Amino acid sequence: GQQLNQSPQSMFIQEGEDVSMNCASSSIFNTWLWYKQDPGEGPVLLIALYKAGELTSNGRLTAQFGITRKDSFLNISASIPSDVGIYFCAGGYNNNDMRFGAGTRLTVKP
Amino acid sequence: DAGVTQSPTHLIKTRGQQVTLRCSPISGHKSVSWYQQVLGQGPQFIFQYYEKEERGRGNFPDRFSARQFPNYSSELNVNALLLGDSALYLCASSLSLGLGNEQFFGPGTRLTVL
Repeated sequence: GQQLNQSPQSMFIQEGEDVSMNCASSSIFNTWLWYKQDPGEGPVLLIALYKAGELTSNGRLTAQFGITRKDSFLNISASIPSDVGIYFCAGGYNNNDMRFGAGTRLTVKP
Repeated sequence: DAGVTQSPTHLIKTRGQQVTLRCSPISGHKSVSWYQQVLGQGPQFIFQYYEKEERGRGNFPDRFSARQFPNYSSELNVNALLLGDSALYLCASSLSLGLGNEQFFGPGTRLTVL
């Protein structure tokens, strides 16, 4: 099935730095979700977006629903070691048949 | 409150065998979706069920089937297993269908096909 284009594939950053990742689709969505997955666990929902242009924060995390409805961005400010993990974007229509990106693997060096 | 639970946590099968995976949604959630996650990739949608009816199906062969029970729990069945079916199978539940009904994932069942 169609997967989303998520970038970058991996990031190695220093503790305290800010992080940005994005996701793009050839299809228009009305739902963008961002998840984090730790080893051996299922994905955990971080932020849900439902409106083009919407900007939503969850602590140090901020995500935006692109105006074209074909992309989304996730920013993490002042990274800490527990931010390590794989971040996935997911796009869909009415929360059905959600399509996932391949993930961004984040490593934070103390 | 308990989250989404899945069983078993790990499973080893051989080619040609059949497997059944189980999922219990969050209490009050009526929709269950199944995903396959191959190592190094994002989850890929297999099925979505709501009120015991199939509401969506991804691009998977007919060897994959599922059902939802009156208590909203669900089973995923895979017949004639292939080596390529080795993956983490994730179940996600949501309150209902439609906008605003985010999916919450269980820990997954790790299936290894030898």
